[in-house]
Amino acid sequence: KNEVEQSPQNLTAQEGEFITINCSYSVGISALHWLQQHPGGGIVSLFMLSSGKKKHGRLIATINIQEKHSSLHITASHPRDSAVYICAVRDYGQNFVFGPGTRLSVLP
Amino acid sequence: DSGVTQTPKHLITATGQRVTLRCSPRSGDLSVYWYQQSLDQGLQFLIHYYNGEERAKGNILERFSAQQFPDLHSELNLSSLELGDSALYFCASVRGATNNEQFFGPGTRLTVL
Repeated sequence: KNEVEQSPQNLTAQEGEFITINCSYSVGISALHWLQQHPGGGIVSLFMLSSGKKKHGRLIATINIQEKHSSLHITASHPRDSAVYICAVRDYGQNFVFGPGTRLSVLP
Repeated sequence: DSGVTQTPKHLITATGQRVTLRCSPRSGDLSVYWYQQSLDQGLQFLIHYYNGEERAKGNILERFSAQQFPDLHSELNLSSLELGDSALYFCASVRGATNNEQFFGPGTRLTVL
C-alpha cells in the first residue's frame, strides 16, 4: 500500500464545474502540500496545510488530521486549471512522500 | 517565474558518465530541496539542505551527492549514470528550515543514453 494515495487518478470536467480531488495518507505528518504541475512540466505550490482549511481564489484545501485525509476543491473550473495535481506529505523524519497525482482536464 | 533557477535545462549523456545539476534559490531562501521525477516512479524526494548543512535525506542513491555552497546555491552530482536515472530533476527553495511554501525551479531534464 502506498503511503500517499490520491483519487481520482484522472478527471475530466466541463468548464464551470466544482471539482474535488482527494488525498489519503498513512503516516504521521507535520504538513501536507498540494502542488500543481502544468503540461509543460513546471510545478507550483498551491497550499501547505497542517490543520483546517485554506483558500486562494477559486481553490480551497482542507485537511482532517484524525482521518488522515485532505481534499482540494476547485470552484468554477476553467480550462486553464487543466494540470496534474499532486499531494505531498512531510513526515516527522522531514522526508517528503508524494502521491501519484490526479490528472485534471477541464473542457470548454 | 518562481525566482528559482536551474541549469542546464536539458542534459543528454551516456551511461557511466557523471553530471552536475545546479540550482540557485530565491534571494533570501536558505533551504534547497532536490527531487527526481521519473515516468515510472513519479516525484521522489532526494535531499534537503538548509544554510549549507544537510537536513534530511530521502531516496537518494549512493551514486548521487549534493552540497549547498556559502552563496546558498546547490549542486546535485550524479555519477556512474544508468539508463534509469533519466528523469526530470527539480529543486525547490524555502525561506526557512521546515514547513513553509516551496518555490520550484523549472527543472533539468536528464537523458541517459
